[in-house]
Amino acid sequence: AQRVTQPEKLLSVFKGAPVELKCNYSYSGSPELFWYVQYSRQRLQLLLRHISRESIKGFTADLNKGETSFHLKKPFAQEEDSAMYYCALLTGFQKLVFGTGTRLLVSP
Amino acid sequence: DTGVSQNPRHKITKRGQNVTFRCDPISEHNRLYWYRQTLGQGPEFLTYFQNEAQLEKSRLLSDRFSAERPKGSFSTLEIQRTEQGDSAMYLCASSSSTDNYEQYFGPGTRLTVT
Repeated sequence: AQRVTQPEKLLSVFKGAPVELKCNYSYSGSPELFWYVQYSRQRLQLLLRHISRESIKGFTADLNKGETSFHLKKPFAQEEDSAMYYCALLTGFQKLVFGTGTRLLVSP
Repeated sequence: DTGVSQNPRHKITKRGQNVTFRCDPISEHNRLYWYRQTLGQGPEFLTYFQNEAQLEKSRLLSDRFSAERPKGSFSTLEIQRTEQGDSAMYLCASSSSTDNYEQYFGPGTRLTVT
């Protein structure tokens, strides 16, 4: 079965605190994973993909095949990071399978 | 190029009516995808085109749903005999091999069936 699980609906932190948004996946093939972000009143946009191994806006995510996880991390959260975050898995037919999303709220 | 565009942005219809949505992908993007998103859920895949060929359809896409991409450019998604359960945000995305097939999303069409 192809499935992405994001266990937290809401994550609330203070500015400057570390952030970890959890993502676990289930996939029989070689996984290709992504984090998408949706800021208020904006469209869904790609934040990062595991194959590029980039750090975008201070966020990083490491694919852990043993734990089937792709958690998103940032050492120091900023207020502008407040948004909806979706973890997604690319399947063999080029379709993205999304998790249910985690709303990150960063308070001053 | 302003990115993927979708029209209309909002549609309210009565149960049983037919509706059609349009998606204009980024120029030169040969792949086009439709997703549906309901409240509290992530987007769910509906169908995918490479140029004008529809290559995959989700089981979510019942017989009342049909999608076309006649000239490999814009696409339309039609829902016949709408039901209240069809109320959702319908998202379109496009991608290209030159951009490592990153999927760029449109703003969505919000459908409300009353």
